[in-house]
Amino acid sequence: KQEVTQIPAALSVPEGENLVLNCSFTDSAIYNLQWFRQDPGKGLTSLLLIQSSQREQTSGRLNASLDKSSGRSTLYIAASQPGDSATYLCAVKNYGTYKYIFGTGTRLKVLA
Amino acid sequence: GAGVSQTPSNKVTEKGKYVELRCDPISGHTALYWYRQSLGQGPEFLIYFQGTGAADDSGLPNDRFFAVRPEGSVSTLKIQRTERGDSAVYLCASSPTRQSTDTQYFGPGTRLTVL
Repeated sequence: KQEVTQIPAALSVPEGENLVLNCSFTDSAIYNLQWFRQDPGKGLTSLLLIQSSQREQTSGRLNASLDKSSGRSTLYIAASQPGDSATYLCAVKNYGTYKYIFGTGTRLKVLA
Repeated sequence: GAGVSQTPSNKVTEKGKYVELRCDPISGHTALYWYRQSLGQGPEFLIYFQGTGAADDSGLPNDRFFAVRPEGSVSTLKIQRTERGDSAVYLCASSPTRQSTDTQYFGPGTRLTVL
């Protein structure tokens, strides 16, 4: 059974810092992995999607990497801003399924 | 273009009552998903529709939960005899096809509170 874990559960950093959010999963037979952002009381916004054949994806100040063999992904945020404050969720989709299995998220607070 | 919309945004009901939650997917998206997110947790899968049929309902917690998508567009999640443990945010997502490579686009959710 696929399980997704995110560390840390919460993180508070001063503005301008580079930071890394971690995601691990127990079953390496994934089809893809996606990072989402969730603002309080809102739905999920897709940030980056990495296919199982890819090693990383980049969008602006965000970079996500995937090491399928070790069951790990990281989300790197460069030059953090207060507007980055949100909960970041990692989710994986296994081969042969259409549903995402989510981690419990990392609550990020960037202080001005 | 319009994203996934969900109504109502908030629903407060009493234990034992029946509720319906509605999801309007992005126009033309054939795949539709329901998830449930409890406080402090990540979303958990409930059910997946491809067109009008439920292709995977393995996440529905029990037979009090039922979902339909009669015309392959709008979907309704129905909960009978609600319990306090059903309180959560119910999220709907859609994707263009059933390809595993498709991103799922999420709606803002319906926050259900059972008193």
